[in-house]
Amino acid sequence: AAGVIQSPRHLIKEKRETATLKCYPIPRHDTVYWYQQGPGQDPQFLISFYEKMQSDKGSIPDRFSAQQFSDYHSELNMSSLELGDSALYFCASSLGGDYSYEQYFGPGTRLTVT
Amino acid sequence: AQTVTQSQPEMSVQEAETVTLSCTYDTSENNYYLFWYKQPPSRQMILVIRQEAYKQQNATENRFSVNFQKAAKSFSLKISDSQLGDTAMYFCAFRINFGNEKLTFGTGTRLTIIP
Repeated sequence: AAGVIQSPRHLIKEKRETATLKCYPIPRHDTVYWYQQGPGQDPQFLISFYEKMQSDKGSIPDRFSAQQFSDYHSELNMSSLELGDSALYFCASSLGGDYSYEQYFGPGTRLTVT
Repeated sequence: AQTVTQSQPEMSVQEAETVTLSCTYDTSENNYYLFWYKQPPSRQMILVIRQEAYKQQNATENRFSVNFQKAAKSFSLKISDSQLGDTAMYFCAFRINFGNEKLTFGTGTRLTIIP
């Protein structure tokens, strides 16, 4: 079965640069979630989208923005990168709506800021 | 706001033995899900088991079972006949059962299975 696809899998950037992470949900899934997992930490919710509209927002810095496109893929844009942004970024997808469906995680994008 | 607490940062057990990982949570919600996720060295997040709060029966998936105590807000994971491949970080997670709700994770327990 098709899974969540994230690209790139690894990304190395310098401080103050910009990074774009992409997430392709499982076919027919209309909801995307982004989580950030720092070294030795648990995943923290950043932001989610349902039917191309922002659904919920967590501890996402103002330097980050995200959107969901018409084909339901999502992009997380990160500007003015800081050393503390080095983390594993997970995308998860699910069916959305009133019923709470299972979230399926992608393999993650490992971002290293030097 | 919901909180999830895992009080065991690290655990180790001999292969083939049984181990129990603890998790407590706090919420004012009545309708929610609880999950255990496994994160092996590959860092992939793998769903191990889930429990609906409205179900009294404890969930079971092969060698994995939970002890869900709703009144005590406790949700422990029991791994029977542990295998080397069970070595991983285990995260307990909470989710309100409504719409597109996010997952809230505990801080994790690093489990090592000793040959």
